[in-house]
Amino acid sequence: GAGVSQSPSNKVTEKGKDVELRCDPISGHTALYWYRQSLGQGLEFLIYFQGNSAPDKSGLPSDRFSAERTGGSVSTLTIQRTQQEDSAVYLCASSFRGSSAFFGQGTRLTVV
Amino acid sequence: TQLLEQSPQFLSIQEGENLTVYCNSSSVFSSLQWYRQEPGEGPVLLVTVVTGGEVKKLKRLTFQFGDARKDSSLHITAAQPGDTGLYLCAGDPRGGSEKLVFGKGTKLTVNP
Repeated sequence: GAGVSQSPSNKVTEKGKDVELRCDPISGHTALYWYRQSLGQGLEFLIYFQGNSAPDKSGLPSDRFSAERTGGSVSTLTIQRTQQEDSAVYLCASSFRGSSAFFGQGTRLTVV
Repeated sequence: TQLLEQSPQFLSIQEGENLTVYCNSSSVFSSLQWYRQEPGEGPVLLVTVVTGGEVKKLKRLTFQFGDARKDSSLHITAAQPGDTGLYLCAGDPRGGSEKLVFGKGTKLTVNP
């Protein structure tokens, strides 16, 4: 597709379960970001991938959060043992190096 | 760590009024971008400014990059309810070698 695609668009999970969120960036984009956004709030940076460099994981809130990017393309954000405070919209964005970022529609995660 | 401060955090105005939103930093950016996010959607790029002192216009929106490339402003003339949304600025610190830095956003509500 032409844009950044995220799946699922909505996810409801029980507290304590693991979840995986997927991001398909724009083809050829070397940079990929994950952000978290609580209702009506700004973006909370989680993790940044740039080419073959080691990812910048400085925004991950706890060791329950991890992300990988396979083959420099698709990325998966994994949240283990989900907690209610993990409920938020998770946004993925990609860019060519540091140029303008293009965002997906987000995955709305609800932990019950 | 480079930071971008946006002000005001919240702004509620009547249709037809003018407004200005600010994005400030003590650091220099090679470029700066403005995004608008509507409820339930991911942020969408509005404009990128690259040259110090640059002014770009997008219909009723005027974007300015400070001479020193440390700050930017977004001015909306005759605001309309369709302008309602979260406005985010993002800076590229070093021309693509580092991740974008996002401000926390300005939440604008334009009342009919």
